[in-house]
Amino acid sequence: DIVMSQSPDSLAASLGERATINCKSSQSVLYSSNNKDCLAWYQQKPGQPPKLLIYWASTRESGVPDRFSGSGSGTDFTLTISSLQAEDVAVYYCHQYYSTPQTFGQGTKLEIK
Amino acid sequence: QITLKESGPTLVKPTQTLTLTCTFSGFSLSSSGVGVSWIRQPPGKALEWLAFISWNDDNRYSPSLSSRLTITKDTSKNQVVLSMTNVDPVDTGTYYCAHYHGSVTYYDYWGQGTLVTVSS
Repeated sequence: DIVMSQSPDSLAASLGERATINCKSSQSVLYSSNNKDCLAWYQQKPGQPPKLLIYWASTRESGVPDRFSGSGSGTDFTLTISSLQAEDVAVYYCHQYYSTPQTFGQGTKLEIK
Repeated sequence: QITLKESGPTLVKPTQTLTLTCTFSGFSLSSSGVGVSWIRQPPGKALEWLAFISWNDDNRYSPSLSSRLTITKDTSKNQVVLSMTNVDPVDTGTYYCAHYHGSVTYYDYWGQGTLVTVSS
């Protein structure tokens, strides 16, 4: 199984600040057919299902604010929120869909300082 | 507009079989590249992928649970059913079904989830 490790486990940042969440996979998730990394990011608020933010490591889902961005390749990936808003308080998960069993990171809880 | 909704029992006794149904609209499981997965989340914990079923009946299961899981589809009813045998209290959690499109892909639409408690 590919192990997904996120850091930090929790993060507190001030409104308007930049927030960065890291995700490391235990092996490459590069899909050779399109030369893209099979890495997605989801946002989950309490009592709600996960919401897709980013796929193919850096492609923003339609309707997601442009303050959210994804970067990285190979085994190291980052989700960046450029200017933290109150509505961004949530748990964020990375997800590899390169191989089964698909796996998720343990989650990063983002709060307002 | 794609929607998915999970249904099933809220309380199951240990050793029983859990059967969950995902009823969806806005897409067809007979369309090329389309599929549905089941993903669960124990209270306060991370997401765990369980299984998927694709338009061409390519089914995959989590190896750690494969002996206990069966996923099927009823294209005419727009439903996907997940059965889990011999449940245990550690199977307690929220169970989600989610839509995907493509051979290697992420989940763009999720149901609201259904909370299942395993307890005697």
